[in-house]
Amino acid sequence: DAGITQSPRHKVTETGTPVTLRCHQTENHRYMYWYRQDPGHGLRLIHYSYGVKDTDKGEVSDGYSVSRSKTEDFLLTLESATSSQTSVYFCAISEENEQFFGPGTRLTVL
Amino acid sequence: GIQVEQSPPDLILQEGANSTLRCNFSDSVNNLQWFHQNPWGQLINLFYIPSGTKQNGRLSATTVATERYSLLYISSSQTTDSGVYFCAVGHSGGGADGLTFGKGTHLIIQP
Repeated sequence: DAGITQSPRHKVTETGTPVTLRCHQTENHRYMYWYRQDPGHGLRLIHYSYGVKDTDKGEVSDGYSVSRSKTEDFLLTLESATSSQTSVYFCAISEENEQFFGPGTRLTVL
Repeated sequence: GIQVEQSPPDLILQEGANSTLRCNFSDSVNNLQWFHQNPWGQLINLFYIPSGTKQNGRLSATTVATERYSLLYISSSQTTDSGVYFCAVGHSGGGADGLTFGKGTHLIIQP
């Protein structure tokens, strides 16, 4: 257990509404990541952070923004949710180059 | 970007059987991890193995970085081994970049 929690664990929302997912870690890891998982795919990287206020885009960043104002929290925001963003979202941390994943958030956009 | 291919995509075995899962990748890597995603969706770390061989109980893994492939061996399968096995690779050291995942091998162990 790498001390990673995600909230909420499940969310149903409507198209066009803003949504923020939270990833919280308790072990002061520098690197944090957001991935999404869709049927038929492995996980795909959305954004990552290499320190407070330091973030960068991943493979599928369109429609998402992130913020990291303190080491322990990495927020993923969907400014205006679309049905194509229905997915399971995983947060991860890196510890000595090995990544560990949180429990995931299942998001449904109707 | 780097491509990761896993085979076979699906595998159905009887309890007690052995299996070999393969991961091919298209470029040099300095991070390679195997994960098991259980039926509840949890991602469990199996091996961090950018090169060499490791064993953990009934599971072992080998990565031949020069030939750009990794193998995961499962011996004496149990029904709890069912789930999806992912291989994921990374380019840069120090944890800076994210991982690129394969599409996984869906393993079903029948009693």
